[in-house]
Amino acid sequence: QVQLHESGPGLVKPSGTLSLTCAVSGGSVGSSVWWSWVRQPPGKGLEWIGEIYHSGKTNYNPSLKSRVAMSIDKSENQFSLQVFSVTAADTAVYYCARGSAGIVASWFDSWGQGTLVSVSS
Amino acid sequence: EIVLTQSPATLSLSPGERAILSCRAGQGASTSLAWYQQKPGQAPRLLIYDASRRATGIPARFSGSGSETDFTLTISSLEPEDFAVYYCQQRSGWPPLFTFGPGTTVDIK
Repeated sequence: QVQLHESGPGLVKPSGTLSLTCAVSGGSVGSSVWWSWVRQPPGKGLEWIGEIYHSGKTNYNPSLKSRVAMSIDKSENQFSLQVFSVTAADTAVYYCARGSAGIVASWFDSWGQGTLVSVSS
Repeated sequence: EIVLTQSPATLSLSPGERAILSCRAGQGASTSLAWYQQKPGQAPRLLIYDASRRATGIPARFSGSGSETDFTLTISSLEPEDFAVYYCQQRSGWPPLFTFGPGTTVDIK
């Protein structure tokens, strides 16, 4: 059974860069699935950030596309997220998730436990 | 972008009662609609995919139905562990955009 685990700083300064890594165990980031990031501001709903395939191909939410970058490291079996020029509005629990099998993902069948990132000076 | 609307926002019920949650898509969403359960401090858990297929390990009391713009999640008889927030989710277009509904809270009456 695949397991995902997010890690990274819990506090980022405004205008800085948020960087998170998702370590995958029990499965391979090189498999034919898309790997996603989803975030949830405190007390609010879920927002999809973007996804990455093992080839390095990415798709991003248009609302965040100008400030987001994702990468994948097959040797370390992990994938990463960067959000640039952060503001308080980027404060959220960030989840990594595995997309459903197939050429395109339609849902998320495994999730990490989430990590809270606060943006504050 | 497809907008998902969930109703009601809150559903207050007692254990053993039936819960019926609605998710409406702003435009035709086909059958690629999923439902998740989220408990406080936990990640979402996939319950239903393709509108009506139960995910691995999900009890039979959870069922999904619907197509196009109107979808329903039914919990036939609420167990104490079912009190949580439920989100619907759908993928649209290419490049893809995944959208979540605002959620329905099922709490104890």
